[in-house]
Amino acid sequence: AQSVTQLDSHVSVSEGTPVLLRCNYSSSYSPSLFWYVQHPNKGLQLLLKYTSAATLVKGINGFEAEFKKSETSFHLTKPSAHMSDAAEYFCVVSDEDTGFQKLVFGTGTRLLVSP
Amino acid sequence: DTGVSQDPRHKITKRGQNVTFRCDPISEHNRLYWYRQTLGQGPEFLTYFQNEAQLEKSRLLSDRFSAERPKGSFSTLEIQRTEQGDSAMYLCASSSIGTGSLRADTQYFGPGTRLTVL
Repeated sequence: AQSVTQLDSHVSVSEGTPVLLRCNYSSSYSPSLFWYVQHPNKGLQLLLKYTSAATLVKGINGFEAEFKKSETSFHLTKPSAHMSDAAEYFCVVSDEDTGFQKLVFGTGTRLLVSP
Repeated sequence: DTGVSQDPRHKITKRGQNVTFRCDPISEHNRLYWYRQTLGQGPEFLTYFQNEAQLEKSRLLSDRFSAERPKGSFSTLEIQRTEQGDSAMYLCASSSIGTGSLRADTQYFGPGTRLTVL
């Protein structure tokens, strides 16, 4: 079965400093991986997705993630945090054994951004 | 706004009552999913529709839960005889079968219905 582990439940950064949210995956085949963001009282929004093309994936709002097969990692980064980045971030792997995309979510990382 | 919509956004009910939630997917999307998110956790898959056919149900979906998608448009999720453990955010997502591979599929989520069972 496919799964993801988000290594930090909370990450605190100052505005303007880099962001690193860590995610490791477990998959029996080359996975499809995603990062979603959830702002309070808003729906989940797709930040970026990896589907076996380029290993460095660029997403919205300046975020990017690098797929590293040797480390089974898919960490999310951003060079400079903005106050509006404060939210819950989910690393997600797709379980496609059933012929459709069953998304398997991590437990989430809450990003706190201080002025 | 042509995104996924859900109604109601909040529902408070007493234990033992029945509740029904509605999801309106993006109009051209033929795939529809329900997920449940409890406090401090990531969403968990509940069920999947392709057009009007319910093709997959999670073991999380007990006999008290039923979902429908008549005519392959909107979907409803009903919970009978609610229990306090049913308190959660219920999320709906939709996607389309694109011309590319399965991996090209992207699920778009609605804002969710927050259920509180007293």
